[in-house]
Amino acid sequence: DTGVSQDPRHKITKRGQNVTFRCDPISEHNRLYWYRQTLGQGPEFLTYFQNEAQLEKSRLLSDRFSAERPKGSFSTLEIQRTEQGDSAMYLCASRPPFRTETDTQYFGPGTRLTVL
Amino acid sequence: SQKIEQNSEALNIQEGKTATLTCNYTNYSPAYLQWYRQDPGRGPVFLLLIRENEKEKRKERLKVTFDTTLKQSLFHITASQPADSATYLCALQGAGGYQKVTFGTGTKLQVIP
Repeated sequence: DTGVSQDPRHKITKRGQNVTFRCDPISEHNRLYWYRQTLGQGPEFLTYFQNEAQLEKSRLLSDRFSAERPKGSFSTLEIQRTEQGDSAMYLCASRPPFRTETDTQYFGPGTRLTVL
Repeated sequence: SQKIEQNSEALNIQEGKTATLTCNYTNYSPAYLQWYRQDPGRGPVFLLLIRENEKEKRKERLKVTFDTTLKQSLFHITASQPADSATYLCALQGAGGYQKVTFGTGTKLQVIP
């Protein structure tokens, strides 16, 4: 499978615990996005990487959230001291190096987080 | 603030008919408008992109219109099939290399055999 992969697909945790999700983008895609999606809503932008540089982070993202992309390939999203409001689907998307502004995003299957 | 509105109520149509979904936006001047399909428990899948200077774009049974004066896009699926049942998301994208994409809430389409 050469698409975007995410791990784990499902995560159940207790409030206050830390969780980490991984995203493996399509090979050679240097642009990577994280989104959060709750039931009945569209994906909400969290952060954007170009290669290993984190170029934008949503102002809605609290300090408990951190993301990395250390070698410009896979990325991790960590949530510290989880709260019930963090329960959502966390989506990763990748995009090829910029050629035209119409290059599309390719989404992974998502990680569904449930905080008890 | 930017707002993208899609009909939150599910759209039920008979197989073979044309489904029309609406996307309205405010406080935004997008360079591009995209439509995605999302099935339950899965990530969105890109369908079509239309530029601000294009009025209409077609792909097989899909047609998208973009009216920047009305700040509205219409998404049509002709000869609809039960397999077209899914949630359809409208997304706006600005110009430039970063190209942040902002999504609407989506409309759930149910095609009844």
